[in-house]
Amino acid sequence: GQQVMQIPQYQHVQEGEDFTTYCNSSTTLSNIQWYKQRPGGHPVFLIQLVKSGEVKKQKRLTFQFGEAKKNSSLHITATQTTDVGTYFCAVDSNYQLIWGAGTKLIIKP
Amino acid sequence: EAQVTQNPRYLITVTGKKLTVTCSQNMNHEYMSWYRQDPGLGLRQIYYSMNVEVTDKGDVPEGYKVSRKEKRNFPLILESPSPNQTSLYFCASSLYDPTEELHFGPGTRLLVL
Repeated sequence: GQQVMQIPQYQHVQEGEDFTTYCNSSTTLSNIQWYKQRPGGHPVFLIQLVKSGEVKKQKRLTFQFGEAKKNSSLHITATQTTDVGTYFCAVDSNYQLIWGAGTKLIIKP
Repeated sequence: EAQVTQNPRYLITVTGKKLTVTCSQNMNHEYMSWYRQDPGLGLRQIYYSMNVEVTDKGDVPEGYKVSRKEKRNFPLILESPSPNQTSLYFCASSLYDPTEELHFGPGTRLLVL
């Protein structure tokens, strides 16, 4: 069945450094969603990408969908403490969502 | 306020004692789903429902039951809980299907002894 690989599992950054997480699939995706889960919280929808090569921005967050629609990335510029949490990608497969394992963003003290 | 609610938020129980986790949404959403979240495994779907009286198995349905008798409610039933069902459970809903934004409940942390 459909699988999606999300890397890295963890990323430790100094506050102010950038952060990137990647999702990769062996098959072409119809769309991809990104969610953020704060520690102790529930996943919250960030964005959905649908078009090949699509780039969307939300303040310091940049989301990209690959030209072949097999991969996607989320990039955060100049991380802040409020960015701490786990970022998940999720892809649609026959009306079920398949989730990446998540990338945990940790800000070094 | 538009939201998904779950109860209870925390539950400790013993093996074999039937339990129900309730889920309710006030957004008139057609699609509802249950997930479990375990460290290192991400979110795995247990059951989902595209509409009233329509339910389907997700990736990990064994040991769980659901029902969708009303649009707003989607309870998760563990007939005979076992320790391997210790997990964090989330209910979620979306307007029509999972290709749209999912709204999650706050989660239910279950410990089965």
